[in-house]
Amino acid sequence: DQQVKQNSPSLSVQEGRISILNCDYTNSMFDYFLWYKKYPAEGPTFLISISSIKDKNEDGRFTVFLNKSAKHLSLHIVPSQPGDSAVYFCAASASSGGSNYKLTFGKGTLLTVNP
Amino acid sequence: ETGVTQTPRHLVMGMTNKKSLKCEQHLGHNAMYWYKQSAKKPLELMFVYNFKEQTENNSVPSRFSPECPNSSHLFLHLHTLQPEDSALYFCASSQGRLAVPQWETQYFGPGTRLLVL
Repeated sequence: DQQVKQNSPSLSVQEGRISILNCDYTNSMFDYFLWYKKYPAEGPTFLISISSIKDKNEDGRFTVFLNKSAKHLSLHIVPSQPGDSAVYFCAASASSGGSNYKLTFGKGTLLTVNP
Repeated sequence: ETGVTQTPRHLVMGMTNKKSLKCEQHLGHNAMYWYKQSAKKPLELMFVYNFKEQTENNSVPSRFSPECPNSSHLFLHLHTLQPEDSALYFCASSQGRLAVPQWETQYFGPGTRLLVL
């Protein structure tokens, strides 16, 4: 059973508007969360992360929100640009038990930003 | 440029062939990983090496054999693969820790697209 779920396979937004990508997780031991972006024929590129001691982390146009009680995180991109069009993966890890290096990934959401 | 390179980028092999995937990282990291991504599935961790020692084998069949001669290089040796092993294989690296586990960010290579006929 998938422990990290990205329920929207795709999302389409207009340039300049906000993109919101969602991710849900089931394992309450997860305490570190990452977002990766992937262009075709390239590997995933690290975008932004958040630890469970925070509920928000911001880096330029990208903000990740974490709601631990709902086991939900989201990535906000404002304003969206055509170059943001890519597949976005949510990933999670648990620092307990020495397994902090084990990233569990979601299936990804294809974001298309239309000019 | 992610600092993690993989060769070859594409590989077609028969079920009786033996081939190897190579990964090299230029980030000064001490942990390296192999991941598999099959069609319509999430990335799945296969192996982890931390300071050249294998610390994780995620129930991977023995027809996949990893090798880590030093902290900068990682190989995945392939032999007698099956068609269902066709997938994208990614290498990644991270800082690696000797002592207390801490949150780490993994950096990925571009991947090898493998087709087993």
